[in-house]
Amino acid sequence: DADVTQTPRNRITKTGKRIMLECSQTKGHDRMYWYRQDPGLGLRLIYYSFDVKDINKGEISDGYSVSRQAQAKFSLSLESAIPNQTALYFCATSDLGDTGELFFGEGSRLTVL
Amino acid sequence: GQNIDQPTEMTATEGAIVQINCTYQTSGFNGLFWYQQHAGEAPTFLSYNVLDGLEEKGRFSSFLSRSKGYSYLLLKELQMKDSASYLCAVMDSNYQLIWGAGTKLIIKP
Repeated sequence: DADVTQTPRNRITKTGKRIMLECSQTKGHDRMYWYRQDPGLGLRLIYYSFDVKDINKGEISDGYSVSRQAQAKFSLSLESAIPNQTALYFCATSDLGDTGELFFGEGSRLTVL
Repeated sequence: GQNIDQPTEMTATEGAIVQINCTYQTSGFNGLFWYQQHAGEAPTFLSYNVLDGLEEKGRFSSFLSRSKGYSYLLLKELQMKDSASYLCAVMDSNYQLIWGAGTKLIIKP
């Protein structure tokens, strides 16, 4: 089983619908992140959390919200999806080690029609 | 603003050597990362440089020059499985990762 698991892996929805992407990890890391990836662009940070009581906005948080339900769980919500939120979304974790290496989930491909 | 530049696409031949360059302009520097990403998959960590010089790890090496804002990833003895995108990322003074758009590497037989 993957250390960082995202559900759903693929989702097609309509404009205006509420969508939740879930992420769970078994690595025991305190830090969790949500990124989106679009063709021709670098990974862009949406939100991040350094522990259960800590939530921080990233570069592109507008239109998104998150919940850190436990150390192992970090979910991303789109309250009212719009077509330009069509993208590949990645959850990632890291610990406080020297390199800050990120461990990514397998990705959730979201299409908003 | 903060910026990471790397070539969009490169082509190389199986068995050869390829160098993928990355230049950066960031507010502060706390390390540079290289990740590999196969199509449709998650990025996976390749290397981390925080001091100037070359870090070698098997067929892959990564070089950093902080004064020049420059890094490269060197891949030797290329294999078909090395066909992937290679992502350069810099950790800035706030310990936030700034990502390049990635270099798609195509390996030909």
